[in-house]
Amino acid sequence: GAVVSQHPSRVICKSGTSVKIECRSLDFQATTMFWYRQFPKKSLMLMATSNEGSKATYEQGVEKDKFLINHASLTLSTLTVTSAHPEDSSFYICSASPDRGVPDTQYFGPGTRLTVL
Amino acid sequence: GESVGLHLPTLSVQEGDNSIINCAYSNSASDYFIWYKQESGKGPQFIIDIRSNMDKRQGQRVTVLLNKTVKHLSLQIAATQPGDSAVYFCAEASWGKFQFGAGTQVVVTP
Repeated sequence: GAVVSQHPSRVICKSGTSVKIECRSLDFQATTMFWYRQFPKKSLMLMATSNEGSKATYEQGVEKDKFLINHASLTLSTLTVTSAHPEDSSFYICSASPDRGVPDTQYFGPGTRLTVL
Repeated sequence: GESVGLHLPTLSVQEGDNSIINCAYSNSASDYFIWYKQESGKGPQFIIDIRSNMDKRQGQRVTVLLNKTVKHLSLQIAATQPGDSAVYFCAEASWGKFQFGAGTQVVVTP
């Protein structure tokens, strides 16, 4: 149980295009999901907290118009990187916090490797 | 500011030996701590966690120690195996949000 999936696992796009990444909790409901970004050999950096039915909360320094987050249901959050540029190339990881169960728990997805040419 | 950090960026361990990975934190309000293992190109994998009302917790081959006095967290891996080679992150949770440490690369040598 407690599986989180991400789609796609890898994506290569041209500079200036937009890319959508999906995060799904497969066997539990999650009102709250999180989006992280990770550069090579670096730690995970929290980008934003995604809340079902409300606007996402972005961390300081993260452009909300650049990284659009939509949490349309209790099992799906999407991150759209708009007008992507090479510096947006990174490993994007989501996590989901189950509505029921141990408080503060986060289950992580397998990540999405974005490469912007 | 508040931070979570690791003392050693790389740890080389001989197969069969015990590994100890350390983590320092400075947010005294954090009440939940987690260790994750991350293999190359994959998402973090939960190893073990501990709440601030405990100072030790054991799992299968792993033990987490929490010293709130000096704000220190450690992960002990017994009888380290080649499959334990990965990057290990500590994370502290406060108000439901995680802050990750810098990570330690563990390399298991034969």
